[in-house]
Amino acid sequence: NAGVTQTPKFRVLKTGQSMTLLCAQDMNHEYMYWYRQDPGMGLRLIHYSVGEGTTAKGEVPDGYNVSRLKKQNFLLGLESAAPSQTSVYFCASASGGAGETQYFGPGTRLLVL
Amino acid sequence: SQQGEEDPQALSIQEGENATMNCSYKTSINNLQWYRQNSGRGLVHLILIRSNEREKHSGRLRVTLDTSKKSSSLLITASRAADTASYFCATLYGGSQGNLIFGKGTKLSVKP
Repeated sequence: NAGVTQTPKFRVLKTGQSMTLLCAQDMNHEYMYWYRQDPGMGLRLIHYSVGEGTTAKGEVPDGYNVSRLKKQNFLLGLESAAPSQTSVYFCASASGGAGETQYFGPGTRLLVL
Repeated sequence: SQQGEEDPQALSIQEGENATMNCSYKTSINNLQWYRQNSGRGLVHLILIRSNEREKHSGRLRVTLDTSKKSSSLLITASRAADTASYFCATLYGGSQGNLIFGKGTKLSVKP
């Protein structure tokens, strides 16, 4: 039982490049979330999904897109990376919404030059 | 955005001492959660307290919630070096459609 996994662990991009971060969970959770964590800012919600085939915007969605084609996977895409997107990205999942316990992945460290 | 705010931002104590961290929030909540984050790792859920609860225990952790003061505290008793981590409170607001709002965290350092 791996829980929540994220790939890659670390990535360096040049400004304007694109990439996709993959999150996978094996707990059959309905809800999945993407956060970014910046120094002194805490975690901020980028996008989330309440079930397969659904996505919704969080607090800081600009510059990101997501897809939830399969229940166990939640993809975060950066179409044209900017230095402001340098951050640590965390994926989380939960069995229910309404503030139930979230289970986090180990994070992806992204550096945009 | 409406966040819980932890206090202090950083706390340094000796092993065996108790550590108290506080979280204040702005509007009425459904529940409040505490998470721990070890350096370079993801967050791990510690405890959830609902708005109709006043106190909750889990091992060496004790969480209190005072809805009249819009605040919560996390007490770690008999701290260990392994408790060194950042601690975050996360609040669920009534109109948030089920999304948690995380504070900026308290960085706890426990010296052996």
